[in-house]
Amino acid sequence: GQQVMQIPQYQHVQEGEDFTTYCNSSTTLSNIQWYKQRPGGHPVFLIQLVKSGEVKKQKRLTFQFGEAKKNSSLHITATQTTDVGTYFCAGITGGSYIPTFGRGTSLIVHP
Amino acid sequence: NAGVTQTPKFQVLKTGQSMTLQCAQDMNHEYMSWYRQDPGMGLRLIHYSVGAGITDQGEVPNGYNVSRSTTEDFPLRLLSAAPSQTSVYFCASSYRGTLSTDTQYFGPGTRLTVL
Repeated sequence: GQQVMQIPQYQHVQEGEDFTTYCNSSTTLSNIQWYKQRPGGHPVFLIQLVKSGEVKKQKRLTFQFGEAKKNSSLHITATQTTDVGTYFCAGITGGSYIPTFGRGTSLIVHP
Repeated sequence: NAGVTQTPKFQVLKTGQSMTLQCAQDMNHEYMSWYRQDPGMGLRLIHYSVGAGITDQGEVPNGYNVSRSTTEDFPLRLLSAAPSQTSVYFCASSYRGTLSTDTQYFGPGTRLTVL
């Protein structure tokens, strides 16, 4: 079945440093979603990418979808303590409306 | 709108007991699903439903049953609880898109401990 791999599992950064998490799928995706889960909370939708090579920005967050639609990344510029949490990618293949989640990357920001 | 609600928030069971985790949404979403979250394992799909009367298995369905008699409700039943089912359970719903999946809205979760 479809597998979505996400690295790294954990990332410690000093406040102000940049952060990137990578997501790779074993199959071509129709679209990919990103979610953020604060400690003790539930996943919250951030964004969806649909087009090959698509790049979207939300303030300090930049999301990319690979040309082959098999990989994606989330980059945070100048991290803040409010960025702490676990970031999940979720891939959807054509014909399925239920996403497959990666294992997530936990971001720890040290002030 | 209340969004996706889950009850209870916390539950402690003894091995062999059964219980039902409740999930309800008031957004008229067709898609509903149950995930379990364990440390380092991400979100694993247990069961899902694409509409009332239709359910299907996800990645880790063993030990769980679901039913979908209404659009709003999607309860998850643990038949005979085992310590391996200690986890955080999330219910999610989404609108049935045409070409792509819409946002998944997650409930606040149920933290289950099986002794």
